[in-house]
Amino acid sequence: RKEVEQDPGPFNVPEGATVAFNCTYSNSASQSFFWYRQDCRKEPKLLMSVYSSGNEDGRFTAQLNRASQYISLLIRDSKLSDSATYLCVVSVYNFNKFYFGSGTKLNVKP
Amino acid sequence: GAVVSQHPSRVICKSGTSVKIECRSLDFQATTMFWYRQFPKKSLMLMATSNEGSKATYEQGVEKDKFLINHASLTLSTLTVTSAHPEDSSFYICSASETSGHGGRETQYFGPGTRLLVL
Repeated sequence: RKEVEQDPGPFNVPEGATVAFNCTYSNSASQSFFWYRQDCRKEPKLLMSVYSSGNEDGRFTAQLNRASQYISLLIRDSKLSDSATYLCVVSVYNFNKFYFGSGTKLNVKP
Repeated sequence: GAVVSQHPSRVICKSGTSVKIECRSLDFQATTMFWYRQFPKKSLMLMATSNEGSKATYEQGVEKDKFLINHASLTLSTLTVTSAHPEDSSFYICSASETSGHGGRETQYFGPGTRLLVL
């Protein structure tokens, strides 16, 4: 079983839509969670960290569900510029090991 | 966020040559850096974890003699692709781990990547 699993998509949504991605992780000892965004032919860029209490940054909201071992990313009022691949990253604290999901591709269309 | 640079951004070389890629953390010290490879439309693949002052830890299936990693300082790690062949052509990305915030959370910041084309 993979450490981190994501639906590869693609999610094709119109501008203005709300879209949500989930990501499941297998190691219950995982303690740090992140969402990264990767544009085509570019490096991943940190979108947001995911805290136990949830985290909101503008149109983006991330949630953590430890009981079910998943994290989610909600994007409201999608923009064309949100089109990218969203990577879920999980790490076990102090083991300096980060596990990446394979990414979920989002296409926002006019 | 923290800044990681990578050099060169693009390399075209002949088969059989060696290519060195540098990864630098510009505004923080990184005891750990990571090297990834990514083929077109595929996910990132971790190649090795580079620890300052010690030997790198390679992932299964990655040849350590083929991909030489040196992490001689807290701000610089290098990856050398030795005797490169066309199948080594890929997008190589480094990242550096920064510890910050409450509870010492570690976050990875990525360099801009190096596109290697071996002819």
